[in-house]
This record gives sequence, C-alpha cells and structure tokens, in this order.
Amino acid sequence: EVQLVESGGGLVKPGGSLRLSCAASGFTFSSYSMNWVRQAPGKGLEWVSYISSSSNYIYYADSVEGRFTISRDNAKKSLYLLMNSLRAEDTAVYYCAREVEDGRYFDYWGQGTRVTVSS
Amino acid sequence: QLVLTQSPSVSASLGASVKLTCTLSSGHSSYAIAWHQQQPEKGPRYLMKVNSDGSHSKGDGIPDRFSGSSSGAERYLTISSLKSEDEADYYCQTWGTGIVFGGGTKLTV
Repeated sequence: EVQLVESGGGLVKPGGSLRLSCAASGFTFSSYSMNWVRQAPGKGLEWVSYISSSSNYIYYADSVEGRFTISRDNAKKSLYLLMNSLRAEDTAVYYCAREVEDGRYFDYWGQGTRVTVSS
Repeated sequence: QLVLTQSPSVSASLGASVKLTCTLSSGHSSYAIAWHQQQPEKGPRYLMKVNSDGSHSKGDGIPDRFSGSSSGAERYLTISSLKSEDEADYYCQTWGTGIVFGGGTKLTV
C-alpha cells in the first residue's frame, strides 16, 4: 500500500524557518518525481514545488522561489521542504504528492502537515 | 494562459447522479486533466485522469460509480448513486509549463 506521511509542521514567527518531511512507503520511491502542494485555510490547492526522481530537475512556484528548497533522500525514502523567510501568506496545510510517470498529475497524496506563520 | 474553471458549488440528492464540470481556457482544449476528491478534513485523493477524447483511467480502488468524459474544452466527472461520503470538494488539475488547479467544486449531498 502506497503511503505518504508528512511531518514537521507547526507554529512559526514571520521570518522564521521550518523543515517539512514526507516519509514514503509501499512503492519504489527513487523511481518517482515528487511534489509539494499547499492549501491555505478555506482555500483551494496550490502547487508549490517539484523534484524529479534523481533530483536533476527542480521547480518552484513564483510565490516561494528563493525562499523554499525542495530535496529528497532516496535511500531514506524521504522528501523534504525547507521553508525560510516565512510569511503569513505561507500559512497552509502542506501535502506531499507522488507524480505519475505518464503525465504531470498526482496519483497519491499524504494527509498533510499544518504550518501556521504568526507572531 | 492555462486556467481551469469550476463551479463553486453543486448539490444533489442521495442516490441521484451529478455531473461536475471543469473548463479549460481558450487554446487548451486538447489538454488532459485529473480529478481529485477532498473529503472534509482529509488530504486529497486522486480519482481519475480524463483525456480530450473522453477516455479516462481511474486510481486504485475508485468505485465504478465515478466516471469521466469530455466535450470540447470541458472535462466532466460524473458520480452516480450518490452516497453521503461523496460530499466533498472536487478539484480538477492539469499541466502545461506548470501545474494548475481549478478552484474546486463543493458537492453537497
């Protein structure tokens, strides 16, 4: 069974940093590209960042470019998101999502981890 | 610009059928989309991919009550024999130079 379990969320002050993790199981993690998607309170889904299976390709949404860093450790079957210079508008539930091999959409999602940026 | 448009809300009765619509922006009518379901307080769940020719491929364990179709720039998700557990937000998603989500449709059963 494919499972994605996020962790690392919490309350952080504006300008602070946080590192999210996503532990994968039930599939060959190293074969799949992965993404982070977020959802602000009461809002829709917003794509945040992408990393290819071997970390050769990395992309970010304009809203987080230069502040967030995506990475992965295939040996540990884990995906990460380092978030710096956090702003109130980064408050959201963050989901990791597995990308399918035949298109840029997501076939498995985690349950999410909540990040609140507030003083 | 690649944009997906969804109606904000729809309601239907238990046991009935409902057809949700996702409309691709002008010039993008050949694009495939994916449908995702988000039940209250849960993470999203992939339902299916819908191609421009109406063919679709469902995710693991998605019941036969869920089906997809297409017409022009519109992509549809039809849910038949509605159950209370189908009450959720439904998002369509596509991709071009980036990943794009529709605004979501809240289905009330």
